[in-house]
Amino acid sequence: GQSLEQPSEVTAVEGAIVQINCTYQTSGFYGLSWYQQHDGGAPTFLSYNGLDGLEETGRFSSFLSRSDSYGYLLLQELQMKDSASYFCASTGGGNKLTFGTGTQLKVEL
Amino acid sequence: DSGVTQTPKHLITATGQRVTLRCSPRSGDLSVYWYQQSLDQGLQFLIQYYNGEERAKGNILERFSAQQFPDLHSELNLSSLELGDSALYFCASSVNRDAYSGANVLTFGAGSRLTVL
Repeated sequence: GQSLEQPSEVTAVEGAIVQINCTYQTSGFYGLSWYQQHDGGAPTFLSYNGLDGLEETGRFSSFLSRSDSYGYLLLQELQMKDSASYFCASTGGGNKLTFGTGTQLKVEL
Repeated sequence: DSGVTQTPKHLITATGQRVTLRCSPRSGDLSVYWYQQSLDQGLQFLIQYYNGEERAKGNILERFSAQQFPDLHSELNLSSLELGDSALYFCASSVNRDAYSGANVLTFGAGSRLTVL
């Protein structure tokens, strides 16, 4: 089977940096994606890591370590609008794209 | 507007009933995915179609079925509804056939919120 674990909630202040971790157990792992979902909204794609290392996209960066079955999403210069749920997702056996448990990020003033 | 259209946006029905949720993928995308999201829960993968054929199956209940038509739109049929089926049902589309093809970016629709009373 596949499982991706994330912290359920993270709180940070505006302007700060926050890291959301994701550990996974999947067979046939290909890569790790990150999606953002605002309350009641549709998930939107943020980033993808197919290889080990850091990928940077503006204020967001994502990291992957295959040897540790671990990845993280780094959000810099936090803004109130970044308050949302963040999901990691991976592809494993059976061509299934499985999402993690999700992390609710609260950005405070 | 993501380009993925889902109807209806909201649906309220009674236990034991049957409903059909409809999804039109983004132009050019051949894969359609269905996900279920219950209150405060993650996204549970149900099923994927590519160009009319089933490609992958998740923990989809036997009471649920789906298909993708020649024009690439997809329908998710939910029957003998139970209270626990109340959830947000998302459709997503991608250009790739396989979920492991590169980044395989999924574009999600706004969802259909189903309430079973």
